[in-house]
Amino acid sequence: DIVMTQGALPNPVPSGESASITCQSSKSLLYSDGKTYLNWYLQRPGQSPQLLIYWMSTRASGVSDRFSGSGSGTDFTLKISRVEAEDVGVYYCQQFLEFPLTFGSGTKLEIK
Amino acid sequence: EVQLQQSGAELGKPGTSVKLSCKVSGYNIRSTYMHWVNQRPGKGLEWIGRIDPANGNTIYAEKFKSKATLTADTSSNTAYMQLSQLKSDDTAIYFCAILIAATPGGFAYWGQGTLVTVSS
Repeated sequence: DIVMTQGALPNPVPSGESASITCQSSKSLLYSDGKTYLNWYLQRPGQSPQLLIYWMSTRASGVSDRFSGSGSGTDFTLKISRVEAEDVGVYYCQQFLEFPLTFGSGTKLEIK
Repeated sequence: EVQLQQSGAELGKPGTSVKLSCKVSGYNIRSTYMHWVNQRPGKGLEWIGRIDPANGNTIYAEKFKSKATLTADTSSNTAYMQLSQLKSDDTAIYFCAILIAATPGGFAYWGQGTLVTVSS
């Protein structure tokens, strides 16, 4: 199985500042079609997860352009610009390359 | 608007089974795969498996192969997951989730989750 390892944030993050969350996969998520099968989700407290980014850097419909994804085949970053109160929650990366699909353990974002 | 409506909370005794449902509106489940994910109390997300409602083909994570059974009824646009031989560590919130054609790379829509509590 592909293991996804997420980094922690130096919480709390001051409102208006940027935050970067890292994720590393145990296998390259770059497929032969040129796409990198890495997704990012936000789970706000008490809610279902919400898709933010797919294919490593494509924002899902309706997602603020304050969220951006980048990376290589095995190392990825979700950047949140100008953090706001509504960004509080746990962020998960997920590999979508092969079964079983696997998630990182989550990175909690708190705002000051 | 696409919506996934899951069935209500379940309380199951150890050794018994429960069957959860996920009814989709606004999207034909024959056009997608239905995935199931769980979240144990205070923990992260864990993928259980997925079903192709068009033909019933399923794929499971190894640890859920003898625990979960996924089915779908295309006539009612509803997917189901049965959990068998319940144990205390099956206590979790169970989510259904789908991809859609406009967002093919990830789970664009999720149900609200069903809490399953296993207790005697």
